[in-house]
Amino acid sequence: SQTIHQWPATLVQPVGSPLSLECTVEGTSNPNLYWYRQAAGRGLQLLFYSVGIGQISSEVPQNLSASRPQDRQFILSSKKLLLSDSGFYLCAWSPGILRQGSGANVLTFGAGSRLTVL
Amino acid sequence: AQSVSQHNHHVILSEAASLELGCNYSYGGTVNLFWYVQYPGQHLQLLLKYFSGDPLVKGIKGFEAEFIKSKFSFNLRKPSVQWSDTAEYFCAVSTNAGKSTFGDGTTLTVKP
Repeated sequence: SQTIHQWPATLVQPVGSPLSLECTVEGTSNPNLYWYRQAAGRGLQLLFYSVGIGQISSEVPQNLSASRPQDRQFILSSKKLLLSDSGFYLCAWSPGILRQGSGANVLTFGAGSRLTVL
Repeated sequence: AQSVSQHNHHVILSEAASLELGCNYSYGGTVNLFWYVQYPGQHLQLLLKYFSGDPLVKGIKGFEAEFIKSKFSFNLRKPSVQWSDTAEYFCAVSTNAGKSTFGDGTTLTVKP
């Protein structure tokens, strides 16, 4: 069965410090990978998605970047954190074949990483 | 671009009451529709989905949702809620591009 791991679960960082959140998926190949940010009362905002190694699409211009160095690894980074980067970050995956009605668009989420920037 | 609107931010019900959470979306093409649920302390998980066919879909734990294309709606229902249904519920829309757009979520509190 497929599993998704996300770490660290909790992170407290000073303003201006770097960030690295990691996400790995097991039990599947060629997944689509996503980073979402969840804000209280604001739903989930898609930050980045990837359909393959090295292929990253950014949805919202911001202080963050994403990379996919391996098929099942997705990393969210920042060189210098801002206060506004605080939030709950969710990694998700879906099957890699985008086909209407195939279930390809069903997302499976990780446990999330809560980032507090002080 | 698609957008999703959930009408209720916080709903409080007593056990055995009926539930209906509204969800409307805006997108002119073919969509996949979802409800996800996040129970306290747990991962966000799929509750039910609609791709095609019967517009009334059934999910886990007695939940169902009805897709009304003419109203661009996908409302979630349950005839009789339980205390264990206390959670946050998210409606989502996905197109063939594979990206899902979520509503702001509805927090459901069920009083025992």
